[in-house]
Amino acid sequence: EAQVTQNPRYLITVTGKKLTVTCSQNMNHEYMSWYRQDPGLGLRQIYYSMNVEVTDKGDVPEGYKVSRKEKRNFPLILESPSPNQTSLYFCASRLDRNQETQYFGPGTRLLVL
Amino acid sequence: AQSVSQHNHHVILSEAASLELGCNYSYGGTVNLFWYVQYPGQHLQLLLKYFSGDPLVKGIKGFEAEFIKSKFSFNLRKPSVQWSDTAEYFCAVNGDRDDKIIFGKGTRLHILP
Repeated sequence: EAQVTQNPRYLITVTGKKLTVTCSQNMNHEYMSWYRQDPGLGLRQIYYSMNVEVTDKGDVPEGYKVSRKEKRNFPLILESPSPNQTSLYFCASRLDRNQETQYFGPGTRLLVL
Repeated sequence: AQSVSQHNHHVILSEAASLELGCNYSYGGTVNLFWYVQYPGQHLQLLLKYFSGDPLVKGIKGFEAEFIKSKFSFNLRKPSVQWSDTAEYFCAVNGDRDDKIIFGKGTRLHILP
């Protein structure tokens, strides 16, 4: 089954404790991205990647890092989480930049205390 | 810079009413346009998209949208809503000059049975 998976689905952590949210897709998609969803703000793109070893900043990259060492994986790293990063995070992928359908993962709900 | 504006943050309708959700974008080039839906507790799903061609596009579940280039608009419509259409709807834009995808802040639609 074609899908985007994220882990963990729920996470509670404390300020400053590094964490990684994994994202994996099994569709051989080139394009992957991370969003955060906050009430009243919609989805905002954090980082995106057009292919292996190619990443670029979205609209709200501060406080986040990503890597794309393999095509299928696109982890989101919070080196020193802060309470303002409490949010719902979605990973998404699509075949390439011209492919219209973007597949979203199930979301990771993060609470930073 | 790209931006997307959704005019209505909350919409409440009765079943069988007609729906139109507004979406305007700002971008100085060719755009790809999307509407996504997020049902309660679920991730985003693509409703419909416009890349080129006929500006009136039809999507799933009886939704359609019309791209009006002169008005920079891509409004979503449905002639007769159902209770199951209760969800949050997001308009999104992807410009041809970069790979960022910008989402609107979303419109919460609540259908009264």
